[in-house]
Amino acid sequence: GENVEQHPSTLSVQEGDSAVIKCTYSDSASNYFPWYKQELGKRPQLIIDIRSNVGEKKDQRIAVTLNKTAKHFSLHITETQPEDSAVYFCAAIITGTASKLTFGTGTRLQVTL
Amino acid sequence: GAGVSQSPSNKVTEKGKDVELRCDPISGHTALYWYRQSLGQGLEFLIYFQGNSAPDKSGLPSDRFSAERTGGSVSTLTIQRTQQEDSAVYLCASNVRGGEGYEQYFGPGTRLTVT
Repeated sequence: GENVEQHPSTLSVQEGDSAVIKCTYSDSASNYFPWYKQELGKRPQLIIDIRSNVGEKKDQRIAVTLNKTAKHFSLHITETQPEDSAVYFCAAIITGTASKLTFGTGTRLQVTL
Repeated sequence: GAGVSQSPSNKVTEKGKDVELRCDPISGHTALYWYRQSLGQGLEFLIYFQGNSAPDKSGLPSDRFSAERTGGSVSTLTIQRTQQEDSAVYLCASNVRGGEGYEQYFGPGTRLTVT
């Protein structure tokens, strides 16, 4: 089955700096890659996703890039703010099949003042 | 509309007792997942239901854990003979498969404490 590795496990950045979280996946058939944000004490929520037919997607301060050849994708957060502090999970799935969504192990991002 | 709901929100039980956790997915969602999340840890996959297919039980940590989904809707996760290491937040999530509908919606979780 699919295996998703995520790093770093923890990341501390100063407010205003950029943060990058990287994930690799094992199944070349995976074609949908969402990112979830989990704030302290809350449930994970989707923040951005990318499909394998594009290489990059942006939404204001967050962007995701995908390299299908290398089987890795990354989350980029620019101009970080304290409210970006959370745990971020990447995931991968093969759409159109019964395969399950596989999550990475999570990255705890701390944005310091 | 209503999101994914879970009950109870908190459950305290004595070691050795059985517990049942309930998940009500979003109506029409064919896929349902259970995860376990220990304090400060990631999402540990437990079990996955997809339509009428046989469930993927590969994440269940022991035979004390079981789950069922009745009528393609409500799901119950049962833990028998609970142990202290079962203490965690149990999250349920659902999504509809196909088209653009791959966003997974999580419930608020059930916090289980085994004393």
